[in-house]
Amino acid sequence: EAGVAQSPRYKIIEKRQSVAFWCNPISGHATLYWYQQILGQGPKLLIQFQNNGVVDDSQLPKDRFSAERLKGVDSTLKIQPAKLEDSAVYLCASSLGPPGGGQETQYFGPGTRLLVL
Amino acid sequence: EDQVTQSPEALRLQEGESSSLNCSYTVSGLRGLFWYRQDPGKGPEFLFTLYSAGEEKEKERLKATLTKKESFLHITAPKPEDSATYLCAVLNQFYFGTGTSLTVIP
Repeated sequence: EAGVAQSPRYKIIEKRQSVAFWCNPISGHATLYWYQQILGQGPKLLIQFQNNGVVDDSQLPKDRFSAERLKGVDSTLKIQPAKLEDSAVYLCASSLGPPGGGQETQYFGPGTRLLVL
Repeated sequence: EDQVTQSPEALRLQEGESSSLNCSYTVSGLRGLFWYRQDPGKGPEFLFTLYSAGEEKEKERLKATLTKKESFLHITAPKPEDSATYLCAVLNQFYFGTGTSLTVIP
């Protein structure tokens, strides 16, 4: 079974530029998550999708971050404009179902490492 | 506010020297707790899910336990390939701790 795919793996941009990350979850997984992991910290949830609807985006900085999951499969996360403090690893994860149903185990992709100069 | 605290931050063990990692949490009505392993440059890899106090799960040299306030990840006779950062997370808000960086010395 193929795992969660993410691209690009690495990205270097200047501050105030825009950047987009792509995620393809495990086939059949209805729930998709985006996390931000700053060096030395645990992942921080940015947004959770159930199929193509947003369930939780309470920690997404909506003035600069946006995410979408068209057709309930692939997802993109965009930052515009980027700030120095956005330098981090952006992780995508997917699960069969939402929390509470016994199918909430999340499987993570390899992440996209973003450096903002 | 929900909190997850992991200790120690870093742990160095000799090969074969058993130890435990701690994950303490302050969450109202815990819905579940996850343990993940993360190798440098990779995404977290799922290890265990625990749902209720008293529950235990094992996988090779790892055993996870859960009480009402904390979870332990016991590592028995570790090998160098067990070196990684171990993360715990509570299901309520998918709130992760900062992890324990484990180094096993041959």
